[in-house]
Amino acid sequence: EVHLVESGGGLVQPGGSLRLSCAASGFTFSHSSMTWIRQAPGKRLEWVATMNQDGSEKYYVDSVKGRFTISRDNAKNALYLQMNTLRAEDTAVYFCVTSRGYYDYWGQGTLVTVSS
Amino acid sequence: EILLTQSPGTLSLSPGEKVTLSCRASQSVSSNFLAWYQQKPGQAPRLLIYGASSRATGIPDRFSGSGSGTDFTLTISRLEPEDFAVYYCQQYLNAPRTFGQGTKVEIK
Repeated sequence: EVHLVESGGGLVQPGGSLRLSCAASGFTFSHSSMTWIRQAPGKRLEWVATMNQDGSEKYYVDSVKGRFTISRDNAKNALYLQMNTLRAEDTAVYFCVTSRGYYDYWGQGTLVTVSS
Repeated sequence: EILLTQSPGTLSLSPGEKVTLSCRASQSVSSNFLAWYQQKPGQAPRLLIYGASSRATGIPDRFSGSGSGTDFTLTISRLEPEDFAVYYCQQYLNAPRTFGQGTKVEIK
């Protein structure tokens, strides 16, 4: 059974940093493209970043380019999102998902709150 | 960027009724690169449909997807109590991948 477990969320001040982690199990992680998707309170889902299977390709939504970095460790079956220079509008639940263009498996999400 | 607009915003229905949800794209989603998700309060979304009409693993056959071009539909043939939720469409033809704003199906 596929399991994706996010961690690392919390309360951070504007301008601060957080690193989200996602522990994956139940499938061949190194064969799967992975994505972070976020959902701000009461808002639609928003694609944030995607990394291909071997980490050679990364894609970001314009609003986080230069501030967020997606990475992975295939030996540890782990996905990461380093978030710097956080803004209030980054407040959301962040989901780790497997991606084939569509998103077939989702973690339960971790809440990031950016507020002073 | 492809904008997806879902309608209606909210549907109030009773168990056993048939549901038809609409998703309209701002430009053609060729090759039917469109998916549907179900999200219940406090939970992550769950993939229901991909390729506009293919059911994901474990999804009951009361859920079906159809459409092409700019107009897509999710149909639930008979509402079960566990189907009351928010439904989102998503296109994966172009970057950035985008989602609709959601349709809430609530108990009447």
